[in-house]
Amino acid sequence: GDSVTQMEGPVTLSEEAFLTINCTYTATGYPSLFWYVQYPGEGLQLLLKATKADDKGSNKGFEATYRKETTSFHLEKGSVQVSDSAVYFCALSPEAAGNKLTFGGGTRVLVKP
Amino acid sequence: KAGVTQTPRYLIKTRGQQVTLSCSPISGHRSVSWYQQTPGQGLQFLFEYFSETQRNKGNFPGRFSGRQFSNSRSEMNVSTLELGDSALYLCASRTGTAATNEKLFFGSGTQLSVL
Repeated sequence: GDSVTQMEGPVTLSEEAFLTINCTYTATGYPSLFWYVQYPGEGLQLLLKATKADDKGSNKGFEATYRKETTSFHLEKGSVQVSDSAVYFCALSPEAAGNKLTFGGGTRVLVKP
Repeated sequence: KAGVTQTPRYLIKTRGQQVTLSCSPISGHRSVSWYQQTPGQGLQFLFEYFSETQRNKGNFPGRFSGRQFSNSRSEMNVSTLELGDSALYLCASRTGTAATNEKLFFGSGTQLSVL
């Protein structure tokens, strides 16, 4: 079945540091890929998405590129802020099943001033 | 526009009891999905309802059930509660009319503790 693997946290960074969170997936066909973010006490929010190979999703300074050849969708941000402290989830949706999302385990990121 | 509303925010139950959770989607959204979030298993898809019909189902036992009303509000029910059912239950809504991969909007969840 489909699966998503992402690096375990917590990841602790200083403000303005570079952030990378690795995500790889296993799926048949051409899934759509997502990054969701969960701030403390809140539900998940869509951060960015990519629906086909080589697509780059971007939002709020975060970027991720859909790499079919390496089945990866790594999240990056060049300069993090304290407000980026949250749990980040990589997820996929099978091409035919719409929004039946399969999530990775989540990566907690803590940004210190 | 109000977001996805889940009630109650917290619940404490004992083993063997049953529980009903409620979700009110964003106005105009006809699809409601439910997810279970636990520290051990992460986020797992439970089921999706669209226009009062179950459209997708995850790999959960029959103790987990749901329904959707004509106003798109949804409830999920867990019967014969087990300790392992302790989790944050998240509801998400979308219009459901796009072909695929429409943006989901999540509620803040109901935290269920089973003692």
